[in-house]
Amino acid sequence: GQSLEQPSEVTAVEGAIVQINCTYQTSGFYGLSWYQQHDGGAPTFLSYNGLDGLEETGRFSSFLSRSDSYGYLLLQELQMKDSASYFCAAGGAGSYQLTFGKGTKLSVIP
Amino acid sequence: DGGITQSPKYLFRKEGQNVTLSCEQNLNHDAMYWYRQDPGQGLRLIYYSQIVNDFQKGDIAEGYSVSREKKESFPLTVTSAQKNPTAFYLCASGQGNSPLHFGNGTRLTVT
Repeated sequence: GQSLEQPSEVTAVEGAIVQINCTYQTSGFYGLSWYQQHDGGAPTFLSYNGLDGLEETGRFSSFLSRSDSYGYLLLQELQMKDSASYFCAAGGAGSYQLTFGKGTKLSVIP
Repeated sequence: DGGITQSPKYLFRKEGQNVTLSCEQNLNHDAMYWYRQDPGQGLRLIYYSQIVNDFQKGDIAEGYSVSREKKESFPLTVTSAQKNPTAFYLCASGQGNSPLHFGNGTRLTVT
């Protein structure tokens, strides 16, 4: 099985940078995914790390260190629309093995 | 446009009644999933199906049932045996190791 820990809430200022950490305990770990969910909406895929290192997609970057069982999502140039919950998810082979963390609620303030 | 449709968006039922939540996808994905989300919680897997006519229990399957008679459809029945059915239910589909695509969810309230 897998368990993931991430902070429950983070507040940051518009235009700033914020990092959301995720630590995991797993068996059969294949990679770490990040999903964004606005209140009442559908989670949407942001990023995936199958290998150690940094993956960059526009204002969002994600990092993975397998040796530390740790990853993070980095959001730059924060915008008000980035206020949402962010979930890390650890995957085994095949999507059905995705286990989600409890989510981090990000509030972006002016 | 391809996507996943869940209906209805809001559903109200009396305790003791079974209720079925609909999930349809036109992404031609083999795998479909049902997750439950409670306030302040992550997504917990109820059931998943990798191919038609086959499905597997997830972490919290008790009190739920599913069917997968067609590739496009994966309905979830919340039975009266589910002790705390009030929750936000999310359906998803995926193909291999590709990211999951989620529907917009059904918010079920049982009183």
